[in-house]
Amino acid sequence: DAKTTQPNSMESNEEEPVHLPCNHSTISGTDYIHWYRQLPSQGPEYVIHGLTSNVNNRMASLAIAEDRKSSTLILHRATLRDAAVYYCILRDVGEYGNKLVFGAGTILRVKS
Amino acid sequence: DGGITQSPKYLFRKEGQNVTLSCEQNLNHDAMYWYRQDPGQGLRLIYYSQIVNDFQKGDIAEGYSVSREKKESFPLTVTSAQKNPTAFYLCASLILAEAYEQYFGPGTRLTVT
Repeated sequence: DAKTTQPNSMESNEEEPVHLPCNHSTISGTDYIHWYRQLPSQGPEYVIHGLTSNVNNRMASLAIAEDRKSSTLILHRATLRDAAVYYCILRDVGEYGNKLVFGAGTILRVKS
Repeated sequence: DGGITQSPKYLFRKEGQNVTLSCEQNLNHDAMYWYRQDPGQGLRLIYYSQIVNDFQKGDIAEGYSVSREKKESFPLTVTSAQKNPTAFYLCASLILAEAYEQYFGPGTRLTVT
C-alpha cells in the first residue's frame, strides 16, 4: 500500500488560510488522493478527493502537484470548528474493492 | 434520517469474553468497513465487505470475526484471541459506484479489563 507523510501538527489563526501538506512519493497512477478530518471521539468526515487536477468544494480546495508526489489541502478561512485531525489518504482499489489506508494525520489547532 | 448506527457507544467487558459490536446502515451502501483506532493513532482496517455473504481481511484481522448476512448490517466480534482489544472501533460504508466518500458511524469505545 502506498503511504503518505504529513506533519504531526500545525497551528493557524482564525480567519486565516491554512495549507496542510502531504507527501506521497510512491503513489501509483490509479491512486486517488483523499482527505478526511476527525473531531475528538467522532468518526472521520470526508473533506475532498482528487486524482490529477486541482479540486474545489464547499469545504476546501485540493492542490495536487504535477508529478502527483505531493498535495496540499487548503482551508480558505480557518474557523475554530476546523480544529481536527486531518488525514491525507491514498485510495487503494484492489481486487476486493476500495481500501483507505490511514496514517497518523496532522493535528490542526486554530487560535482565536 | 439516513446514516450509520453503532451501538453501544461505550462497552465494557472482562478479559476472555467475546464481544460483538453492532453496525447498521440505512444508506443502501454496498460496501462496509471496520476500523480500529488507538489513542493518538490513525485508523487501521480490520475487515471489509463489498457484497452480502462476502468479506475480506484488512491489515489487522487477527482476533476478530465478521459476518455480512444482510446488506445493512456488518457486526464485528472481538474474540478472546485479540490480545489488546481496548480501542475505539469505527464502522463505515461506501457506495461502490461512486467510491469516493466513506461515511463513518459515531464509533464504539471498547474497554476490556
